[in-house]
Amino acid sequence: AQTVTQSQPEMSVQEAETVTLSCTYDTSESNYYLFWYKQPPSRQMILVIRQEAYKQQNATENRFSVNFQKAAKSFSLKISDSQLGDTAMYFCAFMTTNYGGATNKLIFGTGTLLAVQP
Amino acid sequence: GAVVSQHPSRVICKSGTSVKIECRSLDFQATTMFWYRQFPKQSLMLMATSNEGSKATYEQGVEKDKFLINHASLTLSTLTVTSAHPEDSSFYICSAREGGLGPQHFGDGTRLSIL
Repeated sequence: AQTVTQSQPEMSVQEAETVTLSCTYDTSESNYYLFWYKQPPSRQMILVIRQEAYKQQNATENRFSVNFQKAAKSFSLKISDSQLGDTAMYFCAFMTTNYGGATNKLIFGTGTLLAVQP
Repeated sequence: GAVVSQHPSRVICKSGTSVKIECRSLDFQATTMFWYRQFPKQSLMLMATSNEGSKATYEQGVEKDKFLINHASLTLSTLTVTSAHPEDSSFYICSAREGGLGPQHFGDGTRLSIL
């Protein structure tokens, strides 16, 4: 069974600084996707970034980038130039890529609550 | 971008009432829809997965007779909480996926409060 672990329940960062959120996972699969989702106080889940396991290049989306270490099963999120609007719960998630539709379920970590301080 | 509309956003009702929550994909066809439950300050717990035109697949421990899921079309899935009780109070979130490995988009959630 796949598991996703986020060891940092809460983190704090000053505005304009850089912060890294940790995520590790466990799987025996070789093909999968990894995600970071953001859930602000409004509660809507927003996709921040996605990484395909077969790609060696780390995904980047503007101020958000990941450090994907496949051998170590590590998938950390780096937020540069933190903004007040980045304050949210961040969830790391894993999904297998078996061709079968319904079996491809997102497995979420427990989340890291990030507070950006002015 | 792809939008998932979830309605209502908040429901307050008496114990014993059945409550229906709708989830619509507005600008794409969702072959698969997911229903999650989230307790305060906790992660999303998957309740069930539904494919259009077929019965939902429930996760272990989720009562299928309590949480009825219907996925009648490629753009609509409903979750009905039957004979709701205070312990069913929670935040329910739906999600829809375009294709087997497509992006998964989330609704805004429904806050259900049973008195």
